[in-house]
Amino acid sequence: EVQLVESGGGLVQPGRSLKLSCLASGFTFSNYGMNWIRQAPGKGLEWVASISSSSSYIYYADTVKGRFTISRDNAKNTLYLQMTSLRSEDTALYYCARHYYYDGTYYYDYWGQGVMVTVSS
Amino acid sequence: EIVLTQSPTTMAASPGEKVTLTCRASSSVSYMHWYQQRSGTSPKLWIYETSKLASGVPNRFSGSGSGTSYSLTINSMETEDAATYYCQQGSSYPPTFGGGTKLELK
Repeated sequence: EVQLVESGGGLVQPGRSLKLSCLASGFTFSNYGMNWIRQAPGKGLEWVASISSSSSYIYYADTVKGRFTISRDNAKNTLYLQMTSLRSEDTALYYCARHYYYDGTYYYDYWGQGVMVTVSS
Repeated sequence: EIVLTQSPTTMAASPGEKVTLTCRASSSVSYMHWYQQRSGTSPKLWIYETSKLASGVPNRFSGSGSGTSYSLTINSMETEDAATYYCQQGSSYPPTFGGGTKLELK
């Protein structure tokens, strides 16, 4: 059974940093691209960042570029999101999601339960 | 960036009623994908590659469309279908989601 379990969230002051982790199990982690997708309270879904299976390709949303860093450790089956210079608008539930690529399109076939990040003084 | 516009934003349907949700893209995309999110839970892949049902999705659901116009249809509304549905395109970066349609039971 595929499982994605996020951790590392919490309450943080504006301008500070936080690092999220996502532990994967039930599949060969090193074969799949992974993503962070967030959902602000009461709002819709926003893709944040993606990383290919071997970390060769990394992409960010413009809203986090230069502040967030996605990485992975295939030996530990773990995905990370280092968040710096946090802003109130980064307050959201952050999901780890596996992506599947087919014929020029990507979609997200498995999602974690999410981890809450609250940026407030 | 491709903007996805879903309509309606909110709707209510009675058990047994046919329901159609639409998603319009600002530019042509090759496929559309749909997710179901029940209250307090993570999104689940529901329909992928425009018309394929994810594992466990009842066959009263269907998806169709092409280019800039896509839809998700429920042949006969059931209680468990009350949820928010999001469309998503992955044809060009950044991947984007629609704003969602909240489907309620009447």
